[in-house]
Amino acid sequence: GAVVSQHPSRVICKSGTSVKIECRSLDFQATTMFWYRQFPKQSLMLMATSNEGSKATYEQGVEKDKFLINHASLTLSTLTVTSAHPEDSSFYICSARGLASEQYFGPGTRLTVT
Amino acid sequence: DQQVKQNSPSLSVQEGRISILNCDYTNSMFDYFLWYKKYPAEGPTFLISISSIKDKNEDGRFTVFLNKSAKHLSLHIVPSQPGDSAVYFCAASEVTGANNLFFGTGTRLTVIP
Repeated sequence: GAVVSQHPSRVICKSGTSVKIECRSLDFQATTMFWYRQFPKQSLMLMATSNEGSKATYEQGVEKDKFLINHASLTLSTLTVTSAHPEDSSFYICSARGLASEQYFGPGTRLTVT
Repeated sequence: DQQVKQNSPSLSVQEGRISILNCDYTNSMFDYFLWYKKYPAEGPTFLISISSIKDKNEDGRFTVFLNKSAKHLSLHIVPSQPGDSAVYFCAASEVTGANNLFFGTGTRLTVIP
């Protein structure tokens, strides 16, 4: 299957700082990438959808000024959590979709804000 | 509001036996369903899918059954193997390939050797 990578896999940051998470499709071009968040014992929740070269579409309740998404190329999307707070601590997962219908997920990034 | 529900957080099955994971949904507009498998510290991996025009889809040891009238789907794994031990998520969308996948909370399957 298609391969999607995420970096970093784990990050600990102090409250008020910003963190950037990268998502790359390694062996295919992803016209659309998705960012999910999973809190403990909860399901994956879609945060936003990003299409290469255009602005991301955010789900209801997700602050676009706090979670900055950039999809500058067909293989890279970035999520920047700005002014992170402890409540932003979560597991962030990206996925990518090429020509097929299925989404291929990255391994996830565990963010801990202290 | 959880539109996709997996009511069993965990399931233990003996190796070689059948594993049955269940999923219920509330949105009658869902017409495409997927199962993902997730190992610790990894992202979900696509396993098998089914569209609403079918009631069964089979791929090797994995079979997904869909009962639209009951808004219920299940994943059967037979024979179960220890390597199948993982968390299984079902997901649904309104249109095949649509952006928004709605996920269940997952069922942790443990296959006992």
